[in-house]
Amino acid sequence: GESVGLHLPTLSVQEGDNSIINCAYSNSASDYFIWYKQESGKGPQFIIDIRSNMDKRQGQRVTVLLNKTVKHLSLQIAATQPGDSAVYFCAEIPPGGYQKVTFGTGTKLQVIP
Amino acid sequence: EPEVTQTPSHQVTQMGQEVILRCVPISNHLYFYWYRQILGQKVEFLVSFYNNEISEKSEIFDDQFSVERPDGSNFTLKIRSTKLEDSAMYFCASRGRHYGYTFGSGTRLTVV
Repeated sequence: GESVGLHLPTLSVQEGDNSIINCAYSNSASDYFIWYKQESGKGPQFIIDIRSNMDKRQGQRVTVLLNKTVKHLSLQIAATQPGDSAVYFCAEIPPGGYQKVTFGTGTKLQVIP
Repeated sequence: EPEVTQTPSHQVTQMGQEVILRCVPISNHLYFYWYRQILGQKVEFLVSFYNNEISEKSEIFDDQFSVERPDGSNFTLKIRSTKLEDSAMYFCASRGRHYGYTFGSGTRLTVV
């Protein structure tokens, strides 16, 4: 079946460095992708999204890159801060499937002070 | 900033008992969802609800589960006869006409 997966379960980054979290998706028809952040004991929190007709989208300190050729998403966090420590999920939504979000397994980002 | 509110934050129940998890979605949202997350695993879709009916449900959402929007503000998930494997975090989410979901902080259900 269709699935969304993450390459690295845990990523440790020095405070101030940039972080890159990767995600592979399998449904080439998915037309919308979202990155979520989940802090301990909390629900997923929207970070940034991107539509399939875009390659890159920038937010505040975050950038999402989409490579449709290899079905790959990445989340780049600039100047990583201790408050960025969390589990990050990518999620894909197929066309017409916005009733249901498929989440990846998650990558835990640990920021070392 | 508008929030999705879930109660209780933690529910402990005996196997075989019925539980009702409660959610108050964002007031002008139209689409409502329940997801669950077993400890250490990914967030899994359970059900979506729109226009007072279920629009999609997953294989997890069997006859033991039901959802209801009893009034204009609450959205509930009922598990009729809980099993040990129902122990998980249950997240409610809502969205308006855009794609962005807002999740609640979750209810931790522990079945003993």
